[in-house]
Amino acid sequence: KAGVTQTPRYLIKTRGQQVTLSCSPISGHRSVSWYQQTPGQGLQFLFEYFSETQRNKGNFPGRFSGRQFSNSRSEMNVSTLELGDSALYLCASGHGNRGEKLFFGSGTQLSVL
Amino acid sequence: DQQVKQNSPSLSVQEGRISILNCDYTNSMFDYFLWYKKYPAEGPTFLISISSIKDKNEDGRFTVFLNKSAKHLSLHIVPSQPGDSAVYFCAASAGNNDMRFGAGTRLTVKP
Repeated sequence: KAGVTQTPRYLIKTRGQQVTLSCSPISGHRSVSWYQQTPGQGLQFLFEYFSETQRNKGNFPGRFSGRQFSNSRSEMNVSTLELGDSALYLCASGHGNRGEKLFFGSGTQLSVL
Repeated sequence: DQQVKQNSPSLSVQEGRISILNCDYTNSMFDYFLWYKKYPAEGPTFLISISSIKDKNEDGRFTVFLNKSAKHLSLHIVPSQPGDSAVYFCAASAGNNDMRFGAGTRLTVKP
């Protein structure tokens, strides 16, 4: 069974640009969560989608948005990039059950210059 | 809002000894707690979990302890092995998949 796939693996953008990251969950998983990892801050929760609906949201500005398609694949978009958006963006999938373990992809390393 | 805190950014132990990683949380609604391990260039992988109805859960060399009154949990690794060297994240969930993570503790196990 294939794991969680995130594309692209690396991305370099400049300030003011926008970026779209993609995540394909494990087959059968309907929940996709997104996290931002920066040194010293750990994994900061962005949002979670379940059956195409955003079910939970973290404390990030509106520049960060996402969506989920009917096949459970998810995309995350960041508009008007800032230097501080440079981070590893991780996607995780699950069945969407209470307290279940999540399966993570390897992440997309975004560098904003 | 750092609802899950890992106050030790790093820990170094000798091979064969016990590793104890600590985690504190502030949200009393959390009822599931998980530990993940992360190697460089990889996503975190699930290690062990515990629900709030228990105070201990074991899986081989790994044991997680939960103290609800102190809002504290810990992960014990006995005996520690060099392959355990990684960053360990504590995570907590208050219901559906709104899972919050700590900042991580880098464990180094020296041969």
